[in-house]
Amino acid sequence: EIVLTQSPGTLSLSPGERATLSCRASQSVSSSYLAWYQQRPGQAPRLLIFGAFSRATGIPDRFSGSGSGTDFTLTISRLEPEDFAVYHCQQYGISPLTFGGGTKVEIK
Amino acid sequence: QVQLVQSGAEVKKPGASVQVSCKTSGYTFTTYYIHWVRQAPRQGLDWMGIINRSTGSTNYAQKFKDRVTMTRDTSTSTVYMKLSSLTSKDTAVYYCAIGGAGFGDPFDPWGQGTLVTVSS
Repeated sequence: EIVLTQSPGTLSLSPGERATLSCRASQSVSSSYLAWYQQRPGQAPRLLIFGAFSRATGIPDRFSGSGSGTDFTLTISRLEPEDFAVYHCQQYGISPLTFGGGTKVEIK
Repeated sequence: QVQLVQSGAEVKKPGASVQVSCKTSGYTFTTYYIHWVRQAPRQGLDWMGIINRSTGSTNYAQKFKDRVTMTRDTSTSTVYMKLSSLTSKDTAVYYCAIGGAGFGDPFDPWGQGTLVTVSS
């Protein structure tokens, strides 16, 4: 199975700052079947990015995804108060589908 | 728009089974796959398997293969996930999510989640 490792575990930043989240795969993720989800406390995950860099419907352009192969990045250009949450990466190309352990973005 | 509404919270004793339902609306029922994912307290997301709502065919993650059964009722646009032989390690929030045409599509949207608590 493809193991996804997210870093850092927790990111402490202030509103307006830039957030850079990393997701590293144990083997190449085929055709960039890599997604990012946002999960706010007490809520279900919400799709942000699919295909490594395509924003889902309604997602603001301060969220961007990049990377290929085994190294992927989610960038939030300027953090808004509602962006403080947990972010999960996922590979959805090969069964079993797998998720990273998550990165918590907290207010500094 | 597409919506998934799950059944309410459950409390079960060790050794019992639980069935969680996921009612879909807002689109053609037969055109999508449904995934099930669970999240234990303060843990990450764990994929359990997928069901084709048209044919009923399933693909389960190996770690759940012996204990999970996913079914669907096309007349009510509802899919079900049954997990048997419960232990305290199965305490988690269980989510259903639409997976488009199956493997190769991301999960969007998700149901609201169902908390299953296993306790003696």
